[in-house]
Parts: sequence; C-alpha cells; structure tokens
Amino acid sequence: GAVVSQHPSWVICKSGTSVKIECRSLDFQATTMFWYRQFPKQSLMLMATSNEGSKATYEQGVEKDKFLINHASLTLSTLTVTSAHPEDSSFYICSARLGGIYEQYFGPGTRLTVT
Amino acid sequence: DAKTTQPPSMDCAEGRAANLPCNHSTISGNEYVYWYRQIHSQGPQYIIHGLKNNETNEMASLIITEDRKSSTLILPHATLRDTAVYYCIPLTGNQFYFGTGTSLTVIP
Repeated sequence: GAVVSQHPSWVICKSGTSVKIECRSLDFQATTMFWYRQFPKQSLMLMATSNEGSKATYEQGVEKDKFLINHASLTLSTLTVTSAHPEDSSFYICSARLGGIYEQYFGPGTRLTVT
Repeated sequence: DAKTTQPPSMDCAEGRAANLPCNHSTISGNEYVYWYRQIHSQGPQYIIHGLKNNETNEMASLIITEDRKSSTLILPHATLRDTAVYYCIPLTGNQFYFGTGTSLTVIP
C-alpha cells in the first residue's frame, strides 16, 4: 500500500519557539494532504486540508497564523507550529490522498511536547 | 455531515470473529462508509470502505444494511494484533471527520 512518512517522529521544544513537521508521500503523488491533531485519549481532529500549490483550508477554530501549512509539491507538506505553547503539545498526524481515490493514507504521527 | 454512533469498547476472544457495529442513520445517499483503525500511538490504518453492497478484502468484511443507516465491520479471526480503536467514518466531501470510535480489545 501507499506509504506516508513524517519527520520528526517526536520533538521537544521550548515555549515560544517554532517547530516544523514534514509529511511526505513516499511512493505516490498526493493531490491533497490533511493535517490532524490528537490529544491523549481523544479522537483525531481535522485541522486543515491542503492542495498542492494553493493555500490550505483550515477547519473552524484552527488558527491559520499559528499553524502554517505549506504544500510545496505533490509529495511534501509541512506544518509549522509557530510560537508554540504547552497547550500545543499533541500528536500531529498527516494523511495524503491518492489522486481520485478517496482512501487516505496516514503517516505515523509526530509527538510534540512544548515545555 | 453524517454523524456516527459506535460502542465505546468491546472485547473479543482471540480466534473468534469480531463484529463492530456503527450507526450512521443520517448518512446521505452518495456518502461512502470508511473504516479505519488506530493502534496505540500510530497513524490510522485503512481497513475497508463501501457504499451499498457488502465488501470483503484480506483484512475484513463490511456489511451495510439495505437502508444504509448502519454497518458492521467483521474481523473474521481476531488476533492480539487487532487490538486497536476502530473508526467508522462517512466520507463527507473531501474530508474524514473522526468520531470517538470503538476500542477493541482482543483477549488471549
């Protein structure tokens, strides 16, 4: 099946700094990528949808200036958490959609801890 | 958006069939039903999807009622590695919106 990778798998940063998380589709070109956030013992919450070469569409309540998404190519999307705070500590998961097929393939997730 | 209702947790004996129900009574006629599972601290894994007909693949079977208001995911011979949270998700437009899912525990 299609493989999606994320880097880093975990990161610890200090409050006020910015962190970039990469999401790559390794063996296919993804027309659309998605970013989710998951707090402990909760379900995944969709943050934004991004299409290659265009601005991301953010879900209601997600601050677009805080969570910067860049989908520069058909195989790479990045999420930058700017001015991170402890409440941003979470599990961030990306997914990629393969062309016209509506299956989404998920990355392994990135554990962010803000101290 | 279609809402789903799943039991919060279920147990299943190893080697037996696991039947996971999902109620999606507000699903619209052209919305597919997708099933994913998430093993602890990993990204979700695609299992199966369907629209009207029952579907089967190497992982599971999906039974959709004729009125499409509910479906059941069947893992025919559950193993310990099937312990995970299982999500039933109607596809709404371009996005998947995850509900709370069912935490399945396979017991030796």
